[in-house]
Amino acid sequence: EDKVVQSPLSLVVHEGDTVTLNCSYEVTNFRSLLWYKQEKKAPTFLFMLTSSGIEKKSGRLSSILDKKELSSILNITATQTGDSAIYLCAVASMDSNYQLIWGAGTKLIIKP
Amino acid sequence: GAGVSQSPSNKVTEKGKDVELRCDPISGHTALYWYRQSLGQGLEFLIYFQGNSAPDKSGLPSDRFSAERTGGSVSTLTIQRTQQEDSAVYLCASSFDRSNNSPLHFGNGTRLTVT
Repeated sequence: EDKVVQSPLSLVVHEGDTVTLNCSYEVTNFRSLLWYKQEKKAPTFLFMLTSSGIEKKSGRLSSILDKKELSSILNITATQTGDSAIYLCAVASMDSNYQLIWGAGTKLIIKP
Repeated sequence: GAGVSQSPSNKVTEKGKDVELRCDPISGHTALYWYRQSLGQGLEFLIYFQGNSAPDKSGLPSDRFSAERTGGSVSTLTIQRTQQEDSAVYLCASSFDRSNNSPLHFGNGTRLTVT
């Protein structure tokens, strides 16, 4: 059965720290891996990683896909209180043109 | 610009009542998804629409759940004879095409509480 596992489940750090969130997957015929940020309500899209794009960066956020290890990390440097959110990881398989397999998320709390 | 709009944002209902949740996707988005999110859980897939048709209803938890989409736009998710275990946030998302390489755009969800 396909699955996506995120770790840690929750994390509390102080403002200015750097954090690394993990997403590992067991999905047949991997197509892509996506990261979303969910604050109070709607998840918002951060990155999509594929075999042809294994590293993405936007400001203080960056993500790397390791296809050998079947995992991805999301790095946030110089964290701010506005980074507090649930970070969701999802994986798409080529077996389905619309289904995503979702992890349970990592709840990140940034203390001032 | 207009994003995905869901209504109501909150709904409290008594056990046994029917509820209807509405989703208005981004204009031009052909794919529409309903997910359910319980506290501390990942997103649970309910149903997927491509245009007005629903090729995959496999995620609907029981026959009390149904959904439709009209005009390739607005979708409604109906839960009949609600139960307490139906309490959750119901999220709607749309994407430009049916490829799962097209990022999903989510609405703010409807928080359903069944008392």
